[in-house]
Amino acid sequence: DADVTQTPRNRITKTGKRIMLECSQTKGHDRMYWYRQDPGLGLRLIYYSFDVKDINKGEISDGYSVSRQAQAKFSLSLESAIPNQTALYFCATSDFSPLSGSFYETQYFGPGTRLLVL
Amino acid sequence: DAKTTQPTSMDCAEGRAANLPCNHSTISGNEYVYWYRQIHSQGPQYIIHGLKNNETNEMASLIITEDRKSSTLILPHATLRDTAVYYCIVRVAYSGGGADGLTFGKGTHLIIQP
Repeated sequence: DADVTQTPRNRITKTGKRIMLECSQTKGHDRMYWYRQDPGLGLRLIYYSFDVKDINKGEISDGYSVSRQAQAKFSLSLESAIPNQTALYFCATSDFSPLSGSFYETQYFGPGTRLLVL
Repeated sequence: DAKTTQPTSMDCAEGRAANLPCNHSTISGNEYVYWYRQIHSQGPQYIIHGLKNNETNEMASLIITEDRKSSTLILPHATLRDTAVYYCIVRVAYSGGGADGLTFGKGTHLIIQP
């Protein structure tokens, strides 16, 4: 979805380096997410944020940190990259819509960042 | 969120209807069934969701059994561009609260044959 952009799209780095992946959205959503995907597997949640003051760990947060600089921007950092962090990384935003007294959620994903750690 | 079971892969001829099954026998009353798809290495794309009634949109139809323990995603006239991994996700709706991420399994790899 063009409303969610990720930079860079591809990155090669070396073990021990600190790198940052950036995500921007123009959808006006408060909620943003970072996932990683390994070959042949589904997506796993790293971190998520409900708004600029709220950051939450996901299933696999070890070795990662995030920063929510503004409603539209959510960055993922690898403090000291290691080879098993080689993966495809996706950012997503979500929209809640009211339905029958509750809400249902739709997530919108960016195009992904392919990261290789040597 | 309840667990889902999907076939690993399926083939379908171009122009025919693709029917993708999903079992979610432990679904609870306030959980929705969502379908997303992921075309090779692209970001997942929302397709459709439903609670208990059948749903249809411009992309697909969703048929949910009366006991809600299984569902079927239907792509009415499959094209080559529909080749993708399709994820069935069961997820509770929230009443004004927060939300964590979606739980993606391995999905069904749908291959549309020319």
